[in-house]
Amino acid sequence: QSALTQPASVSGSPGQSITISCTGTSNDIGAFNYVSWYQQHADKAPRLLIYDVINRPSGASHRFSGSKSGTSASLTISGLQAEDEAIYYCSSYTTRDTRVIFGGGTKLSVL
Amino acid sequence: QVQLVQSGAEVRKPGSSVKISCKASGGSFRSHAMSWLRQAPGQGIEWVGGIILSLGAPNYAQKFQGRVTITADESTATVFMEMAGLRYEDTAIYFCATQDAYVFDSWGQGTQITVS
Repeated sequence: QSALTQPASVSGSPGQSITISCTGTSNDIGAFNYVSWYQQHADKAPRLLIYDVINRPSGASHRFSGSKSGTSASLTISGLQAEDEAIYYCSSYTTRDTRVIFGGGTKLSVL
Repeated sequence: QVQLVQSGAEVRKPGSSVKISCKASGGSFRSHAMSWLRQAPGQGIEWVGGIILSLGAPNYAQKFQGRVTITADESTATVFMEMAGLRYEDTAIYFCATQDAYVFDSWGQGTQITVS
């Protein structure tokens, strides 16, 4: 059982927007603005998409955006493309000894 | 951006040890912290431990304390992770990644460790 809760799957059609949620607690998402999002294509390593809730690293598409409210964070993907089909993971700083925890991942299907 | 290349897949028996590597290129080795994370089949991602390269100071998730050793060789820009007392549930893909605060910004390709 993962420390952060994500929906197992979401889907959308090309051109649409979708949002993936990530729910934590007052010991992680609720207390710190250190939420990151990663994209993992099949049989590939994860790739950083968003850090510190809203920031994109260089090279990340502007179609990806992050937000946070209370103990939950969200990743929004606009203008869905076939190449967006992947598994998306959220992570957060935590007061636990691991310092960083992840969600279980959300599989995005582009129909 | 730093490129990370990991060693190949390993198969071990329960109770044995394994040591895998992660070679960095394209950046200043000592300026990074490096972490190891793992992903069990069909599961999420779990932080195993990391090392601050400028200090040579490792730290581990409590779950792996005493069973995992992370070291670094600056002369070859390589970080190692050794895991002892392997269990079936250690079967996973292990990734190395550069770490900036609580963000993992460059990842290796992954190393499959199978305990069987």
